[in-house]
Amino acid sequence: AQRVTQPEKLLSVFKGAPVELKCNYSYSGSPELFWYVQYSRQRLQLLLRHISRESIKGFTADLNKGETSFHLKKPFAQEEDSAMYYCALKGNSNSGYALNFGKGTSLLVTP
Amino acid sequence: DSGVTQTPKHLITATGQRVTLRCSPRSGDLSVYWYQQSLDQGLQFLIQYYNGEERAKGNILERFSAQQFPDLHSELNLSSLELGDSALYFCASSVDGRLAGNEQFFGPGTRLTVL
Repeated sequence: AQRVTQPEKLLSVFKGAPVELKCNYSYSGSPELFWYVQYSRQRLQLLLRHISRESIKGFTADLNKGETSFHLKKPFAQEEDSAMYYCALKGNSNSGYALNFGKGTSLLVTP
Repeated sequence: DSGVTQTPKHLITATGQRVTLRCSPRSGDLSVYWYQQSLDQGLQFLIQYYNGEERAKGNILERFSAQQFPDLHSELNLSSLELGDSALYFCASSVDGRLAGNEQFFGPGTRLTVL
């Protein structure tokens, strides 16, 4: 079964503090994972994809196949990072390669 | 706007009614995905079309149907509406989901309220 778990509904940190949003997955095969972000009243936007190993807005995420995790990290949180973050796993051909989303984590960065 | 567009933004209707949600994909994208976002279920995949043909179904109810037209825009039809169908419906498009790292671009969503 394909499943994405984001254990934290809400994460509150102070500005300048490190932040880690957890994501665990289950998938038989080679997973393809993404992080999407949804700022208030805006559409979902791609933040990161594991395949490109990039850093966007200071965020990074490493795929750990041993722990089946794809945690999102940022060393110094900013107030503008406050948003809803979704971890997503790309499905296989049976699902048309649709995304399986976690329930999301609401990140609140306070001054 | 060359991004994914959805109309209407908001829709308020009564139980038992039928509504149609519309999505225009990004220019050049052949794949269209429909997702439902609700408080209890989160974001769930409903159905996917590729170049006019249905490719995959997710958790889509029999009361719901969709199609993709020759100009690649897509419509999601919801009928015999129930209170529980109240949700945000997103459309996303991509060039080809099979491609590694292929991004899905999301529209702004249609918020459906069933009274």
